[in-house]
Amino acid sequence: DTEVTQTPKHLVMGMTNKKSLKCEQHMGHRAMYWYKQKAKKPPELMFVYSYEKLSINESVPSRFSPECPNSSLLNLHLHALQPEDSALYLCASSHQAGAKYEQYFGPGTRLTVT
Amino acid sequence: AQTVTQSQPEMSVQEAETVTLSCTYDTSENNYYLFWYKQPPSRQMILVIRQEAYKQQNATENRFSVNFQKAAKSFSLKISDSQLGDTAMYFCAIPPEGGGADGLTFGKGTHLIIQP
Repeated sequence: DTEVTQTPKHLVMGMTNKKSLKCEQHMGHRAMYWYKQKAKKPPELMFVYSYEKLSINESVPSRFSPECPNSSLLNLHLHALQPEDSALYLCASSHQAGAKYEQYFGPGTRLTVT
Repeated sequence: AQTVTQSQPEMSVQEAETVTLSCTYDTSENNYYLFWYKQPPSRQMILVIRQEAYKQQNATENRFSVNFQKAAKSFSLKISDSQLGDTAMYFCAIPPEGGGADGLTFGKGTHLIIQP
C-alpha cells in the first residue's frame, strides 16, 4: 500500500479563519513533507519532518504551523492567511529522509483564501 | 546547489506516437537516484519511473523508459504508444544532496498533451 491520504480535498477560508490540513500514511515511513504548489508549477518545499522532528522549515511565514503528532500523521495549521496563499498543498512521505528514497504524494488539499 | 532543467514547457503528440521528454540536472553526488513524476489534471502526483545512478542499465516500466547519460547528466523519459491518459504535467526530480532531510529538487515541468 503506497497511499498517502489528505483531508479535506478542498478548503475555502477567510483571512481571519483558523483551519487545519491533515495528512496520513500507514507505510511505516519516517519522513513526511509539506509542499505548496501553484498551477502548472513544481511543488515548493515548506516543511520536513524526520522521525517526528521538524528538520526543515523553508522560511515559511508563521501563519503556517506544522505539527507531527506521531509517525503516521502530519497536520498543517493555518491562521490569518492571505489570498496569495491560495494553492494546492501536497503532503508526501518517504521511507526515510535522504537521497535514496522516493517520495509518495497525497492527492493534495486545494486551498482558496478569500 | 542542485539544479534540474526541463527545457520543454509543453509538448503535444498524437495518440500512439512515441514522445521523449528531456531533463538535465546537476548534483555533487556520485551515487544518487533520479525520478520522473506524473501529475494528471486535478489528480495525484505519482512516481512513473526511478533510475539509480550507479546502474548503467536504463530503467523501464511498461511503456515508460529512460535514457540515462550519467556523464552528460541527462535523464530523458520516453513514452511509447502514447495514450490519452498520459496527458499530464511531468516533473523530473532529484533527491537532496548529502543524504540530509530535505525535499526533492524538481524541474519546472513539461505539460504533455496527447491528441486523439
